[in-house]
Amino acid sequence: GQQVMQIPQYQHVQEGEDFTTYCNSSTTLSNIQWYKQRPGGHPVFLIQLVKSGEVKKQKRLTFQFGEAKKNSSLHITATQTTDVGTYFCAGRRNTGKLIFGQGTTLQVKP
Amino acid sequence: NAGVTQTPKFRILKIGQSMTLQCTQDMNHNYMYWYRQDPGMGLKLIYYSVGAGITDKGEVPNGYNVSRSTTEDFPLRLELAAPSQTSVYFCASSPGTSSLEQYFGPGTRLTVT
Repeated sequence: GQQVMQIPQYQHVQEGEDFTTYCNSSTTLSNIQWYKQRPGGHPVFLIQLVKSGEVKKQKRLTFQFGEAKKNSSLHITATQTTDVGTYFCAGRRNTGKLIFGQGTTLQVKP
Repeated sequence: NAGVTQTPKFRILKIGQSMTLQCTQDMNHNYMYWYRQDPGMGLKLIYYSVGAGITDKGEVPNGYNVSRSTTEDFPLRLELAAPSQTSVYFCASSPGTSSLEQYFGPGTRLTVT
């Protein structure tokens, strides 16, 4: 069954509003990665988090890895229409395999 | 560098037909992967390879086969295509244990009717 859950599945926001997607694993992860997939495109790597409690920023994007290394979040401040797409988290277990969440699709209304 | 390339971009198969999805990377990456993505779903790992001559099953290997005779190429073979194999197939590669982000190809959209 699904071992990495992402919520929400869909999110519609007005341009300028903030957006957050959450990723939860049933087991401890060695690291977590985030990818973005534009409509009709392929996943593109955004970032990798490795340490417990780690926080990384990329311009308007803030990524967090939970203290227990079982959950993560991606927060976008002041969304823009260029942020449209599906955001996937992918957790790596100790076995080395990467398990993708089902993704959160973001729509931004101008 | 072209990165990861996949052919064909689109294909329609009849039930029971076979085909090979091609994947090539020019980044000298050791690790290569095949995923399928069904509508509204995440990526499910079909097969992966940690180097030439070495392959292993992922979450959903049934109905597929792979080979890895060179570092660059990682073809995916579908035997006896079934409607359940209608999906978008992505090939990906990653450098290795020191840096495990994955670089994806553009995908192959396959329809089995």
